[in-house]
Amino acid sequence: GAGVSQSPRYKVAKRGQDVALRCDPISGHVSLFWYQQALGQGPEFLTYFQNEAQLDKSGLPSDRFFAERPEGSVSTLKIQRTQQEDSAVYLCASSFGTRGRQYFGPGTRLTVL
Amino acid sequence: KNEVEQSPQNLTAQEGEFITINCSYSVGISALHWLQQHPGGGIVSLFMLSSGKKKHGRLIATINIQEKHSSLHITASHPRDSAVYICAVIPPMDSNYQLIWGAGTKLIIKP
Repeated sequence: GAGVSQSPRYKVAKRGQDVALRCDPISGHVSLFWYQQALGQGPEFLTYFQNEAQLDKSGLPSDRFFAERPEGSVSTLKIQRTQQEDSAVYLCASSFGTRGRQYFGPGTRLTVL
Repeated sequence: KNEVEQSPQNLTAQEGEFITINCSYSVGISALHWLQQHPGGGIVSLFMLSSGKKKHGRLIATINIQEKHSSLHITASHPRDSAVYICAVIPPMDSNYQLIWGAGTKLIIKP
């Protein structure tokens, strides 16, 4: 497709479950970013990939959060043992370069009960 | 003081009005994003600019690098323009690449 896609769009998990969120960036985009957006707040940086290399994971809130992009295209954000405070919209963005225009996906709304 | 400040925080206007949203920043930048987010929706990049002015349809974005200020204008506003508009700056090449986000301006256009 022409834009960034994310799946699922909505995810409800019971506390303690593991979840996996997928991001399909725009073809050819080297850079991929993950953000977390809590209700009523702005996006918070989680992690950054350049191709398959995870160059920055400083924003991941705990070791329960893990992201990968093994072939330099699709990325997966995994959250283990979900907690209620993990409830948020998870946004993925891609760009040609680190400082290029970022194109955002529709987000995955995660609700942890 | 936040590095990126937007004003106003909230704006309500009537359909057809000319809208201006302002963004001031206190850091060096390589470029500035204007983004739009509808309630419950994803983020759409409207403009990325590093100088001058850009126009797309009824939207116009300007930036004054010397004054560290950017504006987003909407002409002939319409209820479908109701959204949160966010300004985000990209630091220069010799520093952290992460976007620095403004707090957003919530715009409501009444029919």
